[in-house]
Amino acid sequence: EIQLQESGPGLVKPSQSLSLTCSVTGYTITSGYDWSWIRKFPGNKMEWMGYISYSGSTNYNPSLKSRISITRDTSKNQFFLQLNSVTTEDTATYYCARWGFGYWGQGVMVTVSS
Amino acid sequence: DVVMTQTPVSLSVAIGQPASISCKSSQSLVGTSGKTYLNWLLQRPGQSPKRLIYLVSKLDSGIPDRFSGSGSETDFTLKISRVEADDLGVYYCLQGTHFPWTFGGGTKLELK
Repeated sequence: EIQLQESGPGLVKPSQSLSLTCSVTGYTITSGYDWSWIRKFPGNKMEWMGYISYSGSTNYNPSLKSRISITRDTSKNQFFLQLNSVTTEDTATYYCARWGFGYWGQGVMVTVSS
Repeated sequence: DVVMTQTPVSLSVAIGQPASISCKSSQSLVGTSGKTYLNWLLQRPGQSPKRLIYLVSKLDSGIPDRFSGSGSETDFTLKISRVEADDLGVYYCLQGTHFPWTFGGGTKLELK
């Protein structure tokens, strides 16, 4: 069974970087598919942030392009999100998901506050 | 970006009654492959989103056939033939045809 699990700090100070990890079990991330980060803001708004493909290429939402980086550690079957220069508007629940959106992590709530 | 306009914003339905949610895209979701990457997701309270339908009308494994998806090009609909208590939550449409992939604003289904 494919499972994804996010981890990372729940509180980040403004202007700092947000770093999250998605650990994948039951499927090797280099075998196929794109692996995304998605966030849900307070309220209902959802935003796709970007992905890293099975080959290691990346594609980012232009709204975040200057601040976002998605990388991976294939030896650990993990991929990572780094979002720089965060503000309070980056407060959200962050999810990782596999292309097709049939598999999601449970989400991690991140608050940006001093 | 493709704008996904989802209506209604909220829906109050009695158990056993039907429900319908509309999702309209600002441009055609037919991709170069000829496929239409339109998904419907349900996020129950306290849970992560769960895909119900993909490619407009294909039901995910384990999803009851009370759910159905239809539509084409820019106009899509999710229907629940008979609402059950387990159906409450927020429904989203999500397009995966054009970058950046975009979501509808969500429809909150409540029980009457």
